[in-house]
Amino acid sequence: DAGVIQSPRHEVTEMGQEVTLRCKPISGHNSLFWYRQTMMRGLELLIYFNNNVPIDDSGMPEDRFSAKMPNASFSTLKIQPSEPRDSAVYFCASSYGTADEQYFGPGTRLTVT
Amino acid sequence: AQSVTQPDIHITVSEGASLELRCNYSYGATPYLFWYVQSPGQGLQLLLKYFSGDTLVQGIKGFEAEFKRSQSSFNLRKPSVHWSDAAEYFCAVGSNDYKLSFGAGTTVTVRA
Repeated sequence: DAGVIQSPRHEVTEMGQEVTLRCKPISGHNSLFWYRQTMMRGLELLIYFNNNVPIDDSGMPEDRFSAKMPNASFSTLKIQPSEPRDSAVYFCASSYGTADEQYFGPGTRLTVT
Repeated sequence: AQSVTQPDIHITVSEGASLELRCNYSYGATPYLFWYVQSPGQGLQLLLKYFSGDTLVQGIKGFEAEFKRSQSSFNLRKPSVHWSDAAEYFCAVGSNDYKLSFGAGTTVTVRA
C-alpha cells in the first residue's frame, strides 16, 4: 500500500495567488481529514470528510479556504487568495471509520511570500 | 471537550538509556488514545493505540504505553533508545466521533 499521497511536497507562492493542495487517501478508507501544522498552534483539524461528504468544516480559517472531495480517491484543499499567515505544513490523513487510527500523508510545506 | 497535555516540550536522552514521555488527557468518557511520531520533514506515524482491554499497549519500534485511568495518563516508554528515535512525539485523544485532539508534542534529542 502506498499510504496517503500528497502533492506537491513543497509549494512557494506569492501573496494573493491561488494554491491547491492535493491528497489521495488510502484505498478503502472512507474518512479523510485535512490538518494544518504550525509552530504557534500545533496540529489543527481544518475539515473532515466521511464518504466524500464534508461533515465538519468548523476548523477552516476563513472563506479563503475551501476543500472538495469529488470521489473516494481524491481531495483538494484550495486557498484563494493566499496570505503569508497561511504558511504552514498541511497534512492529509485518512482512516477506515470515524474513530479509527488516522494515517497521515507526508505533508505539503506551503510558504507564502 | 477533550484535550491533551504533554508537559515536556523537549527531552534529551543518551543512546541506550530509557525514555519516558508523559501525556495527560481530559475526557469525560473512556478515551481512545494514540501516540504518533514525526521525524523531520515527515508525516505522523502511528506508534501505538489504546481503545480498550489491557492497559499496557505494545507498539512498533519497541515502544509501549500504559493507560492509567486514575491519573488520566497515557505515558510512552522505551527501555533503550536508538539514535533513530530522535523525533517529535505526539499524544492524541479521540472519542466515538472523528475528532482527534493532539498534544503540543515532545521533541526527543538522542545524544551519543
